[in-house]
Amino acid sequence: QKEVEQDPGPLSVPEGAIVSLNCTYSNSAFQYFMWYRQYSRKGPELLMYTYSSGNKEDGRFTAQVDKSSKYISLFIRDSQPSDSATYLCAMRDRGSTLGRLYFGRGTQLTVWP
Amino acid sequence: DADVTQTPRNRITKTGKRIMLECSQTKGHDRMYWYRQDPGLGLRLIYYSFDVKDINKGEISDGYSVSRQAQAKFSLSLESAIPNQTALYFCATSDAKGNSYNEQFFGPGTRLTVL
Repeated sequence: QKEVEQDPGPLSVPEGAIVSLNCTYSNSAFQYFMWYRQYSRKGPELLMYTYSSGNKEDGRFTAQVDKSSKYISLFIRDSQPSDSATYLCAMRDRGSTLGRLYFGRGTQLTVWP
Repeated sequence: DADVTQTPRNRITKTGKRIMLECSQTKGHDRMYWYRQDPGLGLRLIYYSFDVKDINKGEISDGYSVSRQAQAKFSLSLESAIPNQTALYFCATSDAKGNSYNEQFFGPGTRLTVL
């Protein structure tokens, strides 16, 4: 079993829809949770990050962490065609000095006009 | 100008050939990484380096080797390429200082095809 599981999709939604992207994980030591966005033919870029449990909002994006369920989510409100990309969750544990990131497989999202 | 550059951007080669992928960065970061990305498998770590004298294997290092020639340069070699090494390869960097999340900055990728 991979340490981080993510449904690869693809996910296709109309413009304006609310999008929910999710990951589950097995390592209870994970404390830092991130979402990277990868446009076609580009490298991933950090979109949002949260520490431990709770919510974080940035514009149309909300990241949620539920450590009791080992489940993280990224919500996109009022989705736009420019949000079409692959979204990868990533995690690391606080105790590791190496700081290695564990990535999910990525979910491919298409927002059509 | 791009902070993390990779050369070549595309490469087609034949089974058994030696291939080198190069990565350079101008971000001044100590840490550098090589990943491969395959459809349905996501990003997998091949090697990482936390400074010029520190090289570590990742989860899929077999068939690969690396060289950290300088703080800014990290090369990945395939000594004898095989078709299942066909993938998209990414170099990434991160700054150890004040970076709890270990935010990584990725290059544009190299698409490698082994025939």
